[in-house]
Amino acid sequence: AQTVTQSQPEMSVQEAETVTLSCTYDTSESDYYLFWYKQPPSRQMILVIRQEAYKQQNATENRFSVNFQKAAKSFSLKISDSQLGDAAMYFCASLTQGGSEKLVFGKGTKLTVNP
Amino acid sequence: SAVISQKPSRDICQRGTSLTIQCQVDSQVTMMFWYRQQPGQSLTLIATANQGSEATYESGFVIDKFPISRPNLTFSTLTVSNMSPEDSSIYLCSVEDTDPRWGGTTDTQYFGPGTRLTVL
Repeated sequence: AQTVTQSQPEMSVQEAETVTLSCTYDTSESDYYLFWYKQPPSRQMILVIRQEAYKQQNATENRFSVNFQKAAKSFSLKISDSQLGDAAMYFCASLTQGGSEKLVFGKGTKLTVNP
Repeated sequence: SAVISQKPSRDICQRGTSLTIQCQVDSQVTMMFWYRQQPGQSLTLIATANQGSEATYESGFVIDKFPISRPNLTFSTLTVSNMSPEDSSIYLCSVEDTDPRWGGTTDTQYFGPGTRLTVL
């Protein structure tokens, strides 16, 4: 069974600074995907970034990048040049390819951005 | 990515009644999912709804309590039946986008805006 662990219930960052959110996962599968979703107070779940497990190169999307350490089963999210609009709950999630397509979420990290 | 809408966006219901939540997608998708997010918690998958077959429910969720319809490739409904205060949650639908290059799924789920349900 897949599990996803986010050990930081809350984080804060100053505007324009960089913050890293941690995530570890456990799966016995060799093919899987990892995701970071953002949920602002509006409650809409927004896809931030996606990483295929077979790719060694870390995914990047503008100010968002990941540090994917497959052997350590670690998948952290780095937010550069933090903006007030980045304040939200961030959920790490994993999905096993070719299986039940079940997306398993961590408990989330609440990010506060201070002006 | 697909554009997903949900109705209603929020509702306050009385104990013992039922509420049907609609999920509409602007493109045809094979796989649709329903999640529950209890207050202050993460998301939990209720069921997977594929067109043309019965929904597949996760452990702890049953069809009598959460009946699901999937009449076509762009629409699904989730009904929360015989509600109690413990059903107060945000209910979200999601879809796996279809890659137009080869017609298969992208293995990436996109979410609707959610329905906030309060049961008194």
